[in-house]
Amino acid sequence: QKEVEQDPGPLSVPEGAIVSLNCTYSNSAFQYFMWYRQYSRKGPELLMYTYSSGNKEDGRFTAQVDKSSKYISLFIRDSQPSDSATYLCAMKRGGATNKLIFGTGTLLAVQP
Amino acid sequence: SAVISQKPSRDICQRGTSLTIQCQVDSQVTMMFWYRQQPGQSLTLIATANQGSEATYESGFVIDKFPISRPNLTFSTLTVSNMSPEDSSIYLCSVEVVGQGAETQYFGPGTRLLVL
Repeated sequence: QKEVEQDPGPLSVPEGAIVSLNCTYSNSAFQYFMWYRQYSRKGPELLMYTYSSGNKEDGRFTAQVDKSSKYISLFIRDSQPSDSATYLCAMKRGGATNKLIFGTGTLLAVQP
Repeated sequence: SAVISQKPSRDICQRGTSLTIQCQVDSQVTMMFWYRQQPGQSLTLIATANQGSEATYESGFVIDKFPISRPNLTFSTLTVSNMSPEDSSIYLCSVEVVGQGAETQYFGPGTRLLVL
């Protein structure tokens, strides 16, 4: 079993839809949770960062962490064609262990 | 945050040759990382590079194949040695930024390598 599981998609939605992207994980020691957006032929761009459980909102993006279920989500409201990209979840333990564990990424296409 | 640049952005190389990739950060950072991303796949950590010490390699990656330098707190290089077509990939450097209770990583734009 992989430490982090993420549905690879592709996920196709119409413009304006609410998008839900999800990852599950098995290591209860993970404390830091991140979502990266990667456009084709570009490096990953940090989109959202959350420490421990809870919600975090930034504009059209909301990140949720449910540590009891070992489940994290990224919601995109009013999705735009410019949101079309691969979304990678990543997580790590804190302190001296700095290795980020990535999901496989979900390819999202927002149709105009 | 951190702004990271990589050189070259892309290259086409012949098998058996070596390529050195440079990574420059706009601020001093302790931890730098090198990743590989093969087509259609997620990121795989090659090694962690701390300034002033030997790089730490992940399982499946060795120093003879991927030597790393970290001469100061804003710069690192990764060399892909004795290349084969299987080394064709995107190579990414990243840095860890720690502060205000946060620990996260920022990535460079990547170096796209094709080995013929």
